[in-house]
Amino acid sequence: ETGVTQTPRHLVMGMTNKKSLKCEQHLGHNAMYWYKQSAKKPLELMFVYNFKEQTENNSVPSRFSPECPNSSHLFLHLHTLQPEDSALYLCASSQDRATDTQYFGPGTRLTVL
Amino acid sequence: AQSVTQLDSQVPVFEEAPVELRCNYSSSVSVYLFWYVQYPNQGLQLLLKYLSGSTLVKGINGFEAEFNKSQTSFHLRKPSVHISDTAEYFCAVSEGGAQKLVFGQGTRLTINP
Repeated sequence: ETGVTQTPRHLVMGMTNKKSLKCEQHLGHNAMYWYKQSAKKPLELMFVYNFKEQTENNSVPSRFSPECPNSSHLFLHLHTLQPEDSALYLCASSQDRATDTQYFGPGTRLTVL
Repeated sequence: AQSVTQLDSQVPVFEEAPVELRCNYSSSVSVYLFWYVQYPNQGLQLLLKYLSGSTLVKGINGFEAEFNKSQTSFHLRKPSVHISDTAEYFCAVSEGGAQKLVFGQGTRLTINP
């Protein structure tokens, strides 16, 4: 596998379920990101990790819980979500400077019933 | 706070015609500017970026963009579009050396034969 991969590609969950999204990068990068892409809003940054440490939390509700066990893997744990959380969740990775290109995965399409 | 405005949500163009997608940003400090493209059911892919130096930036697939500091704009252009350019295009800005990207709403480019 090359680039940035995300699993699952589609997920349907109820509001009381707990699920996790997984992201893996094969590019040797040090930074990883979660973004949310909703139909009616611009792409929003959620979290940034550099060298496994969280360096940005963009006021994300606690029902979203990120985990970065190493520089290649990033998870987003979901619990008690709301229907308005339905969106495309995109993972990205880059080296650790603002000038570095962010490489995006294909996303997980999440539907909350 | 920085913001990005893409003035057109949809742009229909005939094949082989030129196109310009507009992007304006607001920021009080130095910025880095990016254009990304999203093809259906895929993640975002970098088209080009402006970091410093020459204000005319050339990217992949024949696209180019011009940074205009006085007008706080970074418009994307292509002299002759192809059907394969049908996609959504996103302008983004990072401010003051931060890894955080702020995206515009996106412009959907539709190419008609």
